[in-house]
Amino acid sequence: QITLKESGPTLVKPTQTLTLTCTFSGFSLSTSGVGVGWIRQPPGKALEWLALIFWDDGKRFSPSLKSRLTITKDTSKNQVVLTMTNMDPVDTGTYYCAHSPYGGKFACDHWGQGTLVTVSS
Amino acid sequence: QSVLTQPPSASGTPGQRVTISCSGNSSNIGGNYVYWYQQLPGTAPKLLIYWNNQRPSGVPARFSGSKSGTSASLAISGLRSEDETDYYCATWDDSLSGPVFGGGTKLTVL
Repeated sequence: QITLKESGPTLVKPTQTLTLTCTFSGFSLSTSGVGVGWIRQPPGKALEWLALIFWDDGKRFSPSLKSRLTITKDTSKNQVVLTMTNMDPVDTGTYYCAHSPYGGKFACDHWGQGTLVTVSS
Repeated sequence: QSVLTQPPSASGTPGQRVTISCSGNSSNIGGNYVYWYQQLPGTAPKLLIYWNNQRPSGVPARFSGSKSGTSASLAISGLRSEDETDYYCATWDDSLSGPVFGGGTKLTVL
């Protein structure tokens, strides 16, 4: 059974860098067609895709946030790490990681529980 | 602004059938599969429909999806009080090279 769990700081200061880790089980990120992505949701607002990484180390980023994002995977640890630089209060929200089995056109079928990140001085 | 357009709200009475629409364009819905998610308050989204009209194991047959051209719909029949929550559509966007989501629809069971 596939599970994912996000971890990282709950509070970051403006201009700081956020580092979030997604630890998963029940699948391997070296299996062809598999991807892991990050999606966030500001309080009371819609879902917004941030970044994703594929089994072949292919990476995609939201065009509006590309300059601030980095995504890496550690297949041996079953982890995916997202970093977002220059955090701002508007980046406050719940950050989810999710699994996709659908090859090159990522779509989430399993989600982590999410982690709430607040950006405030 | 979300790339996909959903009505912000929808409503129905118990037992009724309701539909939620999701509109896009040729670079997203027009050429790719559509997915639907149900998000209960304070929880992560849950996959409700994949590949336009397929239900994952455990999702009641009351939920169905369809797609035509650059639009898609989620239908819920036999509406129940526990269906009152938020619903999101999603698909891949070939121009953005990434997944896109709708703005979400809050369903109220009257």
